[in-house]
Amino acid sequence: GAGVSQSPSNKVTEKGKDVELRCDPISGHTALYWYRQSLGQGLEFLIYFQGNSAPDKSGLPSDRFSAERTGGSVSTLTIQRTQQEDSAVYLCASSRWDSDYGYTFGSGTRLTVV
Amino acid sequence: AQSVTQLDSHVSVSEGTPVLLRCNYSSSYSPSLFWYVQHPNKGLQLLLKYTSAATLVKGINGFEAEFKKSETSFHLTKPSAHMSDAAEYFCVVSEGTGGFKTIFGAGTRLFVKA
Repeated sequence: GAGVSQSPSNKVTEKGKDVELRCDPISGHTALYWYRQSLGQGLEFLIYFQGNSAPDKSGLPSDRFSAERTGGSVSTLTIQRTQQEDSAVYLCASSRWDSDYGYTFGSGTRLTVV
Repeated sequence: AQSVTQLDSHVSVSEGTPVLLRCNYSSSYSPSLFWYVQHPNKGLQLLLKYTSAATLVKGINGFEAEFKKSETSFHLTKPSAHMSDAAEYFCVVSEGTGGFKTIFGAGTRLFVKA
């Protein structure tokens, strides 16, 4: 597609429920990133996919967080047993294999855990 | 490991006056440097990037930044602020492709007064 598409744009969930966030990157971009942006904070790196390589999961804050990328394209970030501190905007970005070209970000999913 | 410091959390200017958003970085290598802008409820948009070519980099919307290796700085400037420039700006340093190899600054919120 023309840009990075994320869905849903907003999600309100009850504490303890599982949520899935979706990212559809730009066609042909081999790298995909998930970041979390809490209110008034910078971007916190979560996970990075590059082509068919094993993902870099070193930023995931706990084992309740997982992500997959199917067919080298669409990615899903799953948060199990959500907690209130998970409330944030989750941003997805994609780039060519060489990140010197910069990232293209989606508009994000605003997650609110009540 | 690389790091990036945005020296001001908030900057306020009057419309038509110059903008200066300051960024210092540290890196063991010759990094790539970026500035991104985030308007309210939007994703991040790439403003400009430095990747070891010309030290004065021109970006979109009249912004430019100068890479000064001796000062380890990459300040963002614009000669004349416009109301539409009000947003959050992020300085980014990257030592290569991958999650923690790309570090985002904490952001500088730019306010533009009429």
